[in-house]
Amino acid sequence: DAKTTQPPSMDCAEGRAANLPCNHSTISGNEYVYWYRQIHSQGPQYIIHGLKNNETNEMASLIITEDRKSSTLILPHATLRDTAVYYCIRLYNQGGKLIFGQGTELSVKP
Amino acid sequence: GAVVSQHPSRVICKSGTSVKIECRSLDFQATTMFWYRQFPKQSLMLMATSNEGSKATYEQGVEKDKFLINHASLTLSTLTVTSAHPEDSSFYICSAFKTGDPYEQYFGPGTRLTVT
Repeated sequence: DAKTTQPPSMDCAEGRAANLPCNHSTISGNEYVYWYRQIHSQGPQYIIHGLKNNETNEMASLIITEDRKSSTLILPHATLRDTAVYYCIRLYNQGGKLIFGQGTELSVKP
Repeated sequence: GAVVSQHPSRVICKSGTSVKIECRSLDFQATTMFWYRQFPKQSLMLMATSNEGSKATYEQGVEKDKFLINHASLTLSTLTVTSAHPEDSSFYICSAFKTGDPYEQYFGPGTRLTVT
């Protein structure tokens, strides 16, 4: 049970920001929110993770609501190469196993 | 970044034979590795956790006698699909954490297994 809910698919115009939502309303205080993505027929790639505070790295930003029941992954300037399935994952034990849900299939269009 | 490789990238085998898939961490040591399976249009399903020097821990519903896992060194884990059948055809992916760094899991490129 992945315990996160994501829309199955989204479209985004190239160069625009892609905002991918994730609902994790039952998350506990010690669980992290992780985001990975999988480009077709490749292994998943780590994007970002957070616990309570918003996070930003060279790939994306992660916005976590104050009650931690949902979060949004933001790709600030989507490119065609960002077309992938994006997975939002709750993780209690860092270093532990990841349970993947169905993810959001993001299509970036020219 | 850290690199995880898998070999072979693609394999075709006949029904009833066994196939070994290797997962290597190329530039770091990995005490723990994971094996996933992914069917077309589906998400990744965790099969087992592989720990160096000890027996693997299998997820519920995964047959340990069919999917043999060996993690004999800090850089190599192998998955052997024994007596393969067409329904075992899938995309097999491994992943690893750097020992002492639990924040990011590094994934291999995957192995496409086709059983005829």
